[in-house]
Amino acid sequence: AQRVTQPEKLLSVFKGAPVELKCNYSYSGSPELFWYVQYSRQRLQLLLRHISRESIKGFTADLNKGETSFHLKKPFAQEEDSAMYYCALSGTGGGNKLTFGTGTQLKVEL
Amino acid sequence: KAGVTQTPRYLIKTRGQQVTLSCSPISGHRSVSWYQQTPGQGLQFLFEYFSETQRNKGNFPGRFSGRQFSNSRSEMNVSTLELGDSALYLCASSWTGEVYGYTFGSGTRLTVV
Repeated sequence: AQRVTQPEKLLSVFKGAPVELKCNYSYSGSPELFWYVQYSRQRLQLLLRHISRESIKGFTADLNKGETSFHLKKPFAQEEDSAMYYCALSGTGGGNKLTFGTGTQLKVEL
Repeated sequence: KAGVTQTPRYLIKTRGQQVTLSCSPISGHRSVSWYQQTPGQGLQFLFEYFSETQRNKGNFPGRFSGRQFSNSRSEMNVSTLELGDSALYLCASSWTGEVYGYTFGSGTRLTVV
């Protein structure tokens, strides 16, 4: 069975502080990992996927297969980063369904 | 281009009734997937349709069903509604069904009373 765990429901940081949103997964094969973001009153949208290894809006995430983690990081939080963040997993090759974590609400305070 | 459109935006139904939700994908997208979002369980996969065929199904009871039409529009139906079916129902469309190509709709908020 595949599972995604986001241990923090809420993470509150000050503007300019580093951000790390934790994500751990359980999957027997080679998963593909994603981070999705939902800003207030907006649709759920893809932030980044591990396979593309890019930095989006200053966010990066590295897949650590040994620790089965895919933590989302940003060195300096901005007010506009406040949103709900979901870590998600799909099976080998991407597949056609996502297993989501329960989400972490990031609040960036001034 | 128009995004993924879900109708209606809000619904209130009574226990025992049935409900039909609609999802119109982005033009050209042939895959539509449905997810249920609740505060307790988060986002859970319901099913995926591609070219009018259900390709994948999540762990939901048979009361939850869906279909896809030749124009790729999809409907999901929930029969014999229970209070626990109250949720935000999201659909996502993509070109081939690959999840990295997902575009999500705004969802239908279903409240069962």
